[in-house]
Amino acid sequence: GIQVEQSPPDLILQEGANSTLRCNFSDSVNNLQWFHQNPWGQLINLFYIPSGTKQNGRLSATTVATERYSLLYISSSQTTDSGVYFCAVPTYSWSGTYKYIFGTGTRLKVLA
Amino acid sequence: DTEVTQTPKHLVMGMTNKKSLKCEQHMGHRAMYWYKQKAKKPPELMFVYSYEKLSINESVPSRFSPECPNSSLLNLHLHALQPEDSALYLCASSQDRGLAYEQYFGPGTRLTVT
Repeated sequence: GIQVEQSPPDLILQEGANSTLRCNFSDSVNNLQWFHQNPWGQLINLFYIPSGTKQNGRLSATTVATERYSLLYISSSQTTDSGVYFCAVPTYSWSGTYKYIFGTGTRLKVLA
Repeated sequence: DTEVTQTPKHLVMGMTNKKSLKCEQHMGHRAMYWYKQKAKKPPELMFVYSYEKLSINESVPSRFSPECPNSSLLNLHLHALQPEDSALYLCASSQDRGLAYEQYFGPGTRLTVT
């Protein structure tokens, strides 16, 4: 099955710093989602980005499907950005349903 | 409205208990999912329901029994669980199953089996 790897696994930043998180996947995909899991466990949708670039405030994401990777950029980080960032990609099941495979995650801590 | 709700938020149960987790969405989505997440691990898919029928079962033990009473509700019935089943249980929904649609997650139920 498809493999989804994220890097770095852990990241500590000072408030105000910028960062880039990477998601590599082993097979072609139809779409890709980025999530932020806050300390209470809630998975918050950040981007739905099968290809190209999207921006939302201080966050932006780029997916290069032909090269099987996606990048999440966080600028001017804030302590509220702390948590775990996951990418997830769908794979096609024999039953005709897509199922989502999550990456290994990047654990981010932003220090005040 | 992109909200998926889950109850309860926390659950502590003994190995002989029977309990149920509930998930609800009012977005008109036709696919709903149960995931299990252990500490410091990514969510892992357990079940997918699409059009109220079980579409994917990822070889989950029979002590977990899903039920989809209607298109907005998804339950997970728990019976004779083991301590290693303690985890965060996440429900999600997406518009449809046939193409890859964006998933929306509920806040989760944190389950402890004693």
